[in-house]
This record gives sequence, structure tokens and C-alpha cells, in this order.
Amino acid sequence: DTGVSQNPRHKITKRGQNVTFRCDPISEHNRLYWYRQTLGQGPEFLTYFQNEAQLEKSRLLSDRFSAERPKGSFSTLEIQRTEQGDSAMYLCATEASGVSYNEQFFGPGTRLTVL
Amino acid sequence: GNSVTQMEGPVTLSEEAFLTINCTYTATGYPSLFWYVQYPGEGLQLLLKATKADDKGSNKGFEATYRKETTSFHLEKGSVQVSDSAVYFCALEGSNYQLIWGAGTKLIIKP
Repeated sequence: DTGVSQNPRHKITKRGQNVTFRCDPISEHNRLYWYRQTLGQGPEFLTYFQNEAQLEKSRLLSDRFSAERPKGSFSTLEIQRTEQGDSAMYLCATEASGVSYNEQFFGPGTRLTVL
Repeated sequence: GNSVTQMEGPVTLSEEAFLTINCTYTATGYPSLFWYVQYPGEGLQLLLKATKADDKGSNKGFEATYRKETTSFHLEKGSVQVSDSAVYFCALEGSNYQLIWGAGTKLIIKP
């Protein structure tokens, strides 16, 4: 499978717990994005990596959220002390660079439910 | 700031009807514009794009033209099929290449 993969696909947790999601990009895609999508809304940008460097973070990304992309390959998104408002679909997208625009390829998402 | 507004759904049509889903945007400069589609149970996928004014993106019978005068990028298809039932998202490219999205329009095609 050469697509973007995300794990887990579903996560149910209790409020106050920490969760971590993983995204594996398409090989050689050096741009990686995290988005969050709630029901009935379009995705909202959270953060962006160019290789291993985190170049931009949305103001939506509170201090409880942290993302990493060690060695510019897979990425993890951690949410500490989860709140019910964190319940959403977390989407990862990756993209090649080198020309003015390439297509962002999306993973299937991780659906988080905070009880 | 940059934003995208698209028509609310659901939009319900009969098979072979003409489709228009409206999308307007607010942006600094002339960003690239996109339509993404999300079929039931599947991830987001690019449907078509346009990178400059007056460009027409097309794919699978769908078309959209980048209109800077009206800041619009309406999605059209001449004859829809049941298999076109999905949620359609209009988006623009912001700084650092991230996408800024509309709320999505659910399309229901009845046989």
C-alpha cells in the first residue's frame, strides 16, 4: 500500500488521559500536515512539517498538543490531558515538494472520542 | 484572513440532473483553489484544482473555473450519477501550503 496510513483508526479515551496518533507518509513526501475535522465542518489546519522541521502551528494547537516528525519520516501527534472538546477526526496529509504545487494525499484519519 | 464559503447542503438531485455547488473565497493575492471529495467511508481525495485566474480544473466530468472578478470557484457537472453522492469540499491554499476549507456540501443523488 503506497498511501498515507494513520493509526489507530479509532481511539476512545477518558477525559484527562493522554493520547498519541501516528501518521506514515507516502515515501519521499517531505511535506506533512495535520488537520482536525469535526462533524459537519471542513478540516482545520493544525500544523505543518517540511522534512523534520515544524514550520507552522495554528493557534488552534494549544499547549496540550505536540507534534513531531523525527528524521522526516513518520509523524506523531500527542494530546495531553484530553478534553471532551478534543473529540474529532484527526487527519494527516502528505505532499511532495519541488514544484509550485502538488497534491495533498490524505490518510483515513483517526477518530478520537473523549468521554 | 483567508476563508472559504460554500453552499449549505444537503443538495438532493435526481440522476442525470445538472449540478452546481457554489464556492466563494476571501484571500490575499491569488491562491490556488481546489475541490476535494469524500465518498462514504473513504478519505478525502482531490477532485480538481486551478492555480491561477481563469484556469478551469476538470476531472470525472466535473469542472470549476477560477473567477477572480467574483472570487468564486463553483463546481459543476452536466449529468450526475448515483455514484457522485459524496461530500464536496472547496479549499484554497494558504501560507506554507496548508489548505483552508469550506464546511463541505453533502450531495445526494437519487436514481
